[in-house]
Amino acid sequence: SQQGEEDPQALSIQEGENATMNCSYKTSINNLQWYRQNSGRGLVHLILIRSNEREKHSGRLRVTLDTSKKSSSLLITASRAADTASYFCAITDSWGKFQFGAGTQVVVTP
Amino acid sequence: DGGITQSPKYLFRKEGQNVTLSCEQNLNHDAMYWYRQDPGQGLRLIYYSQIVNDFQKGDIAEGYSVSREKKESFPLTVTSAQKNPTAFYLCASSILPRESTDTQYFGPGTRLTVL
Repeated sequence: SQQGEEDPQALSIQEGENATMNCSYKTSINNLQWYRQNSGRGLVHLILIRSNEREKHSGRLRVTLDTSKKSSSLLITASRAADTASYFCAITDSWGKFQFGAGTQVVVTP
Repeated sequence: DGGITQSPKYLFRKEGQNVTLSCEQNLNHDAMYWYRQDPGQGLRLIYYSQIVNDFQKGDIAEGYSVSREKKESFPLTVTSAQKNPTAFYLCASSILPRESTDTQYFGPGTRLTVL
């Protein structure tokens, strides 16, 4: 079973709105990463947060990590049509195993 | 340009045939990975390699084979034993395997269709 599970599976918003998606996992982790995938393309790394960090920012992206709840969230502020993509979380567990979740599909309409 | 390339972008194969997908990187990364992605799903690890001439099975290795004769190349062969090979295949690499900051860099993918 996949360790990282994203929620929701799909999200549709209008330009300018914020988009929030969550990732839950089941094991102890070294770090958690978020990736983006445009349709039919490879994945692009967005941000990495270590297990001893609680929040990180990168441009319009904000990632939080709550290791007590084994969950992370990715917030995209002031969304644009170009943010339309699938977003995946990936964990590196304590044994060094790297696993992806099923992804959240985000559609931003003009 | 530095990066990771995959070829071909689209590949069609008849049932019963083996086919090899290419993955090359000029990032000088030690580790390379192959993933399979099915529609609406996440990535599942097929094989990975941490060093030349060594590779390990991932979660769904059955019906696949790999080689790592050169640091920059990690080809994947989809054999006729793979029951449902139609999928999108992604290759990735990372600087150091199993480190706490092992960001993976992905190629553009190969879409394999079995006719």
